[in-house]
Parts: sequence; structure tokens; C-alpha cells
Amino acid sequence: GAVVSQHPSRVICKSGTSVKIECRSLDFQATTMFWYRQFPKKSLMLMATSNEGSKATYEQGVEKDKFLINHASLTLSTLTVTSAHPEDSSFYICSASQRLGLGIIYEQYFGPGTRLTVT
Amino acid sequence: AQSVTQPDIHITVSEGASLELRCNYSYGATPYLFWYVQSPGQGLQLLLKYFSGDTLVQGIKGFEAEFKRSQSSFNLRKPSVHWSDAAEYFCAVASGSGGYNKLIFGAGTRLAVHP
Repeated sequence: GAVVSQHPSRVICKSGTSVKIECRSLDFQATTMFWYRQFPKKSLMLMATSNEGSKATYEQGVEKDKFLINHASLTLSTLTVTSAHPEDSSFYICSASQRLGLGIIYEQYFGPGTRLTVT
Repeated sequence: AQSVTQPDIHITVSEGASLELRCNYSYGATPYLFWYVQSPGQGLQLLLKYFSGDTLVQGIKGFEAEFKRSQSSFNLRKPSVHWSDAAEYFCAVASGSGGYNKLIFGAGTRLAVHP
């Protein structure tokens, strides 16, 4: 089946620094990649939608200058948390989307997540 | 607006007992529905999905779900729960313009299994 990896799985950084998280689709080319944030014991909150070669589309309330998304290829998207603060500490999950057949239905495959802790 | 409601935040069952997790959706057109499971500190794994056809959908790990349009529901069931089923379960509906590419998640139901 389709596999999505994330790196790193866990990162601790100091306040004010930037952190980059990678999301890769290992055995398929992803039409679109998504970035989610999950707070403890909460559901997933969509942060942005990323298409290869174009600017990411951010959800309302998500600061695009703080959460930089680059989708360099059909298998790689990166999320950079700039000038991180303790309130940015969270579990970040990416997913990669693949169209099913020739229709308009897509299936998302999720990465294992990255635990970010900002001290 | 599309939405997904999972009325039960936390459910506890005994190992070997049957399980039903509720999911209600609000969507104007034909919904494309999913159930995912998340173990602590992990990503999401797809259990099953409904696009069309038979309203009773079989998934992995012995799970099934039934789509009921009249009740706007897509409840997840398992006849006999195993301790390894303890996890967080999310129901989701696909939406988006130009293709069903975005997922809207419910709040999740945390399942605890007693030995």
C-alpha cells in the first residue's frame, strides 16, 4: 500500500529558532499533500493544502509566514515552523493524496507524525 | 457547511464485547466517508471507506461500517473487541471543489478496552 514518511519523528528546539519537517510519499506520486496539526486528545486541524509547484493554500487562522510550506516535487513537501514559540508545540501530521482511478475521488495516506516541542 | 459529529468522546468496553462507534455527517451531496484509527503518538490508519454501492462496508482488523443515508450516519462496528483495538477513532467525510480531496474530521472517539 501507499506509504508516507515524515522526518523527524520528534524534535525539540529552542524558542526563536526554525524547524523543518519533511513529508515524503515513498511509493507513489502525490497529487496534493496536506499538513495537519493535532493538539493533545483533539482531532486533526487542517493547516494547509499543498500542490506541487504552486503556493500552498492556508486555512483561515493559520499564519502563512510562520508555517512555510514548500512542495518541491510530487513526492516531497516540507513544513518549516519559523521563529518557533512554546505555543507551537504540537503533533504535526502530513498526508499525501492520490486520485482513485479517473474519477474525482481521492484517498489520503497519512504520515506517522512529528512531535514538536519548543522550549 | 459540511461537518462530522462523533457524539461519544470516550467509550470503554470489555475485551470480547461488541462495539459500535457513532458517526453522523452533514453533507448536501453524496458523501464519501472514511473511518481512521490512531494509536498514541502515531499517524492515522485507514480502516474502511464508503464511496458507493453496498452500504455495508468491510474494513481491516474485523471492522465494518454501515452507511445509512436516511439517518446521515456511518457507524463503525466490530463484533468482538480485542485489547489491541484501544485507540482513537476518527470518522471523516471528503469534500472539496473540483474533486473530493479534503477531509473533514469528527472530534474522535477514544476507545478503552478492559481485560
